[in-house]
Amino acid sequence: SQTIHQWPATLVQPVGSPLSLECTVEGTSNPNLYWYRQAAGRGLQLLFYSVGIGQISSEVPQNLSASRPQDRQFILSSKKLLLSDSGFYLCAWTPLTGGNQPQHFGDGTRLSIL
Amino acid sequence: GENVEQHPSTLSVQEGDSAVIKCTYSDSASNYFPWYKQELGKRPQLIIDIRSNVGEKKDQRIAVTLNKTAKHFSLHITETQPEDSAVYFCAAHNQAGTALIFGKGTTLSVSS
Repeated sequence: SQTIHQWPATLVQPVGSPLSLECTVEGTSNPNLYWYRQAAGRGLQLLFYSVGIGQISSEVPQNLSASRPQDRQFILSSKKLLLSDSGFYLCAWTPLTGGNQPQHFGDGTRLSIL
Repeated sequence: GENVEQHPSTLSVQEGDSAVIKCTYSDSASNYFPWYKQELGKRPQLIIDIRSNVGEKKDQRIAVTLNKTAKHFSLHITETQPEDSAVYFCAAHNQAGTALIFGKGTTLSVSS
């Protein structure tokens, strides 16, 4: 069966520091991969999605970036974190067939910026 | 692009009552509509979904209805229980069909 892993589970970083969050999927090939952010008590904001290695689509302008160096690995990065980057970051995947398929979420990373 | 509106933002019911959450979407080409439940501090989990070739789907106490003409869909929970308390999100596909766009969520509180 397919599983999705995210780490770390929690992270506390100072303003201006770099960020790297990692997500990997097991048990499937060529998944579509997604990064969402959820501010406290708010909805799910789509940040990036990827339909293949090296293919990244950005949904909102920001100081975050994403990369997909391997088929089942998706990384969210920042060179300099802002206070507004605090939130709950969720990675998700769907089969390559994509349309009409549910997204399955990882357990998330809770990021606090001090 | 796709826009999903969800109402109400909060909903309080007594145990045993029914709860209804409604969503509207903007892209008439959307054809897949899932609902997720998120408990505090946890990841969203799929509870039910519906595709555009059907108007209603039911799974025990949960049902979803879809009106493609009006571009709205609803989640119905019957005989609510305290463990149904959570945040519920509706979603629809973006224009490219490559990602889900979520509503802002409904916080459901079921009191016993």
